[in-house]
Amino acid sequence: KAGVTQTPRYLIKTRGQQVTLSCSPISGHRSVSWYQQTPGQGLQFLFEYFSETQRNKGNFPGRFSGRQFSNSRSEMNVSTLELGDSALYLCASSRGDGGAATGELFFGEGSRLTVL
Amino acid sequence: SQQGEEDPQALSIQEGENATMNCSYKTSINNLQWYRQNSGRGLVHLILIRSNEREKHSGRLRVTLDTSKKSSSLLITASRAADTASYFCATGNTGGFKTIFGAGTRLFVKA
Repeated sequence: KAGVTQTPRYLIKTRGQQVTLSCSPISGHRSVSWYQQTPGQGLQFLFEYFSETQRNKGNFPGRFSGRQFSNSRSEMNVSTLELGDSALYLCASSRGDGGAATGELFFGEGSRLTVL
Repeated sequence: SQQGEEDPQALSIQEGENATMNCSYKTSINNLQWYRQNSGRGLVHLILIRSNEREKHSGRLRVTLDTSKKSSSLLITASRAADTASYFCATGNTGGFKTIFGAGTRLFVKA
């Protein structure tokens, strides 16, 4: 069974640009979560999607957005990039059918974004 | 803000020794999980313990959970150089549809 796939793995952008990151979950998984990882803040929850619906969102500005498609693939977008957005963006999938509680997450290798 | 806080932040031991990492959290949980991350890579799930469980084993891993103290510990026995990584505790909260991660413990096992 293929794992969680994130693209691109590395990218460099300049301030003010926007970026779109993609995540393909494990087949059969309907929940996709996104995290931002930085040395100073650790792993910060961005949002979670299940069956194309955002069920929860972290404390990030509106520049951060996401969506999920009918095949469970997800994208996140960051507009008007700032230097502080440089981070490893991790996507995780799970079955998501355990009610409100979350279970084991399966992570991709991440997309490392550098903003210059 | 993060739910879990790991202690210590960093730990250096010799191969063959045991490594113990602790995690404290703030709110009620449905489960607590431990993950490992090798440098710059994705996280790998190690073990999940439910709120009604007190102890769980998986190979060389032993996890305990004390909901009255809102704390958990991860014990890695007979550590190996390959165990060198960052370890994170994560809590699955009731009604939240999200898993919150702590800051992590960096473990270095010297061969």
